[in-house]
Amino acid sequence: GAVVSQHPSRVICKSGTSVKIECRSLDFQATTMFWYRQFPKKSLMLMATSNEGSKATYEQGVEKDKFLINHASLTLSTLTVTSAHPEDSSFYICSALDAVRNYEQYFGPGTRLTVT
Amino acid sequence: EDKVVQSPLSLVVHEGDTVTLNCSYEVTNFRSLLWYKQEKKAPTFLFMLTSSGIEKKSGRLSSILDKKELFSILNITATQTGDSAVYLCASDSGNTGKLIFGQGTTLQVKP
Repeated sequence: GAVVSQHPSRVICKSGTSVKIECRSLDFQATTMFWYRQFPKKSLMLMATSNEGSKATYEQGVEKDKFLINHASLTLSTLTVTSAHPEDSSFYICSALDAVRNYEQYFGPGTRLTVT
Repeated sequence: EDKVVQSPLSLVVHEGDTVTLNCSYEVTNFRSLLWYKQEKKAPTFLFMLTSSGIEKKSGRLSSILDKKELFSILNITATQTGDSAVYLCASDSGNTGKLIFGQGTTLQVKP
């Protein structure tokens, strides 16, 4: 299957700082990527849809100024958590949609963010 | 509002048992129903179902979709401790590619 990478896999940062998470589709071009957040023992919550070359579409209740998404190329989307607070600590997962071959979504391995 | 509901939320069985996990959905522009297994990292894909009544199998796992009754089941036969995980069901609502996830079923298989 297709490969999606995320970097970093784990990050610890201090309150008030910003953290950037990268999501890359390694063997296909993805005009659409998705960012999810997962709390412990909970399911995946869709945060936003990242569209190459245009603004991201955020789900209700997700602050777009807090979670900045940039999809500058067909293989890279970034999520920046700005002015991080401890309540932003979570597992962030991206997925990339292969709209050309099979319209399947491929998930990255996730990024564990801890804000101290 | 689109929603996906899984049951049970958690399940404890012994090795060798057979389990059935349930997933019901109410989604506009339904395109497909997907099952994932999640251990410690991101979900890994198990099945994608688009047609009613056609069973998909992979080893001891199988799944089927009923588009009339709007549900799917995931069966695991002869369970092993390595099957312990969270099983997630998600529905793809067509045009946008967005996945709507259920709450997940946490399966624990005891030796």
